[in-house]
Amino acid sequence: KQEVTQIPAALSVPEGENLVLNCSFTDSAIYNLQWFRQDPGKGLTSPLLIQSSQREQTSGRLNASLDKSSGRSTLYIAASQPGDSATYLCAVYAGNMLTFGGGTRLMVKP
Amino acid sequence: GAGVSQSPSNKVTEKGKDVELRCDPISGHTALYWYRQRLGQGLEFLIYFQGNSAPDKSGLPSDRFSAERTGESVSTLTIQRTQQEDSAVYLCASSPSNRAVYGYTFGSGTRLTVV
Repeated sequence: KQEVTQIPAALSVPEGENLVLNCSFTDSAIYNLQWFRQDPGKGLTSPLLIQSSQREQTSGRLNASLDKSSGRSTLYIAASQPGDSATYLCAVYAGNMLTFGGGTRLMVKP
Repeated sequence: GAGVSQSPSNKVTEKGKDVELRCDPISGHTALYWYRQRLGQGLEFLIYFQGNSAPDKSGLPSDRFSAERTGESVSTLTIQRTQQEDSAVYLCASSPSNRAVYGYTFGSGTRLTVV
């Protein structure tokens, strides 16, 4: 059974810092990995998707990497802003199942 | 439509009543998921539909929960005899057949409160 773990569970940084969120998964036979953003009381949006054949994807200040063999992905946020404050969820798609990690709650302080 | 649409956005119901939640996927998306998210917790898988195949109901927490989807159209999640522990945000997601490339798109969810 696929298990997805995210570290840290919560992170608070001052504005302007670069930061890294970590995601690990137990079964490397995945089709893709998606990073989702969830704002309080709202649904999920997905800034980044990495297909299994890819090593990284970039969208603006966000960069996600994937090392399928070791079961790891990182989300790098450059020059963080208060508007980046949200919960970030990592989800892997394998078989017919989309499995989520527990999320990292990010707070960027002005 | 342009995105996944869920209705109602908020629902308050009395304990013991039945509720029906609706998900309108992106047109042409073959796969549809329902998830539940309790306050402060992660996403809990409920049920998965893929085209006309039999749904994967392995995540439904009890027989009070059921869901239907006809073909690749609207899905409804029904909760009978609601209990307070059913209070949560219910999220729906859809994906095209080549979801390894395009991934999943989520709706904004239905916030259910059982009083």
